Amino acid sequence: AQTVTQSQPEMSVQEAETVTLSCTYDTSENNYYLFWYKQPPSRQMILVIRQEAYKQQNATENRFSVNFQKAAKSFSLKISDSQLGDTAMYFCAFMKRNFGNEKLTFGTGTRLTIIP
Amino acid sequence: DVKVTQSSRYLVKRTGEKVFLECVQDMDHENMFWYRQDPGLGLRLIYFSYDVKMKEKGDIPEGYSVSREKKERFSLILESASTNQTSMYLCASDTGVGSYNEQFFGPGTRLTVL
Repeated sequence: AQTVTQSQPEMSVQEAETVTLSCTYDTSENNYYLFWYKQPPSRQMILVIRQEAYKQQNATENRFSVNFQKAAKSFSLKISDSQLGDTAMYFCAFMKRNFGNEKLTFGTGTRLTIIP
Repeated sequence: DVKVTQSSRYLVKRTGEKVFLECVQDMDHENMFWYRQDPGLGLRLIYFSYDVKMKEKGDIPEGYSVSREKKERFSLILESASTNQTSMYLCASDTGVGSYNEQFFGPGTRLTVL
């Protein structure tokens, strides 16, 4: 079974600063995906970024980037030039790579507050 | 855009009542999921379905059942609601094919059992 650990229950940062959210996971699988999902105060969860484990290059999406360390089983999310709209719960998640019928395993989340 | 809708945003029920939570997706997705979200516990999978009339237990299925009679609709049933089932319930769906497997979530139903 897979486990996902987010050790920072809450974080806060000043607007325009950079913040890094931590995530570690445990698995015996070699092929898998990792995700960061964002849940703003309105509650609709959306995908922020994903990483395929077989790709060495770290994924980036505009101001969001990851630091994927496969050997260390670490998958942190960096938010650059943080904005008030980044205030949300952030969940790290793991999925085995399969033929489509796999499920996500989520971490416990990090509540991020961007301070004006 | 993919749209996942849930029948209620807020629901209050009494202990022992039978509760139905409905979820509908409009993108012909194969897979559908029910999670519950609790502070400090993250999202935990209750049940999922990868086809009509198919279902599989997730990590916490006790006290719940599901129904998927049509591809677009996935219902979560609490046969006899209890106070420990007070929670936020999230529905999600994904394509079930290909390698991307992004899950799309509904807005959630906050259920209170008194």
